[in-house]
Amino acid sequence: GQQLNQSPQSMFIQEGEDVSMNCTSSSIFNTWLWYKQDPGEGPVLLIALYKAGELTSNGRLTAQFGITRKDSFLNISASIPSDVGIYFCAGQRTGNQFYFGTGTSLTVIP
Amino acid sequence: DAGVIQSPRHEVTEMGQEVTLRCKPISGHNSLFWYRQTMMRGLELLIYFNNNVPIDDSGMPEDRFSAKMPNASFSTLKIQPSEPRDSAVYFCASSFSGLSNQPQHFGDGTRLSIL
Repeated sequence: GQQLNQSPQSMFIQEGEDVSMNCTSSSIFNTWLWYKQDPGEGPVLLIALYKAGELTSNGRLTAQFGITRKDSFLNISASIPSDVGIYFCAGQRTGNQFYFGTGTSLTVIP
Repeated sequence: DAGVIQSPRHEVTEMGQEVTLRCKPISGHNSLFWYRQTMMRGLELLIYFNNNVPIDDSGMPEDRFSAKMPNASFSTLKIQPSEPRDSAVYFCASSFSGLSNQPQHFGDGTRLSIL
């Protein structure tokens, strides 16, 4: 099935640093979502984007829907230890189905 | 509000046994999705339902896997007979799909181990 390329695959950062990750596809998407998954739990929705160029914030998180509609970015400012987890992007073209990225594993070193 | 509820949270069983995973979607949601997550393959969509009807089951690995949604508040994913390579975390997610499709909300998953 459709795969989204997510990068980086993993990140090790110091507490307080900013984080950037992105998701790219060869296909155009109409919706982009960003999820976070903690160990032993299901992915939790962080941000949803519905329009090309849209920039949306949720606390220290900011995500953008790329103008080409083939990519999306997630930034985390001033990282804290509880930001640790795996971050997934997901894209939707038409219909109900979302395609998920391969995930970015984030480790925050206190 | 109750989220997506999955049961059991953990299942350990021997190869060859039948396994049934259960999911209760969020009330009011009309789309339900079953995913499998492994280290090697990440999150894979197995099947999804819209208004209790299976829409796309192309992700179901083989005939040993089957899924049903007898009503709007309950779905099952069954594996019979189970094999060790079926070991994974299985997630159920639900969403409301109308004029504008809404994001999926996930349950906490069932961690399945086949010995």
